[in-house]
Amino acid sequence: QQQVRQSPQSLTVWEGETAILNCSYENSAFDYFPWYQQFPGEGPALLIAIRSVSDKKEDGRFTIFFNKREKKLSLHITDSQPGDSATYFCAATQQGTGSKLSFGKGAKLTVSP
Amino acid sequence: GALVYQYPRRTICKSGTSMRMECQAVGFQATSVAWYRQSPQKTFELIALSTVNSAIKYEQNFTQEKFPISHPNLSFSSMTVLNAYLEDRGLYLCGARVWGGGGQDTQYFGPGTRLLVL
Repeated sequence: QQQVRQSPQSLTVWEGETAILNCSYENSAFDYFPWYQQFPGEGPALLIAIRSVSDKKEDGRFTIFFNKREKKLSLHITDSQPGDSATYFCAATQQGTGSKLSFGKGAKLTVSP
Repeated sequence: GALVYQYPRRTICKSGTSMRMECQAVGFQATSVAWYRQSPQKTFELIALSTVNSAIKYEQNFTQEKFPISHPNLSFSSMTVLNAYLEDRGLYLCGARVWGGGGQDTQYFGPGTRLLVL
């Protein structure tokens, strides 16, 4: 059973636009949601994360919006740059328990200049 | 800052042979280390999770007999792929996680070891 789902699978935006990547989860016990950015040939890098006690987390051009009731979250990338072109993975886990991270299948973002 | 190194970055082995890969956390002590295999078809597959003071827990479809893991201390882990075959190809990722009091819970990944099997 896929615990974390992402949509769309791929997205293309123009430079300067806002890219929105969606994520939903099944397990109500999940309370920590990191997003990872992965470039080809590299390992995933932690980009930004949110805890379920918050409904928004912002870090520069990257913002997570979180809806606990609907078990949904989204990553917004404002003023998208060609260098943001990568695959983005949404993950979820129970914070502080050491339980495993559940990953979505990823969303490939392409930012066209 | 926190860094995770993996070695080798890329390796090629003949079908039926074995290869060992290493993972080292630098700048922090990992509370747990997870090994994943990433492939285009199956995205992240968790192989096993190794937590301090607990036995290494393997996920379904992965066994200690096939993927033996050594986690001697909080900074180092190694995994061997025994009798590698084509289906074992992929990018093997090490995720070193820090969790505990104060709300900190972060998993850092290494760059991965890409395994090609001929």
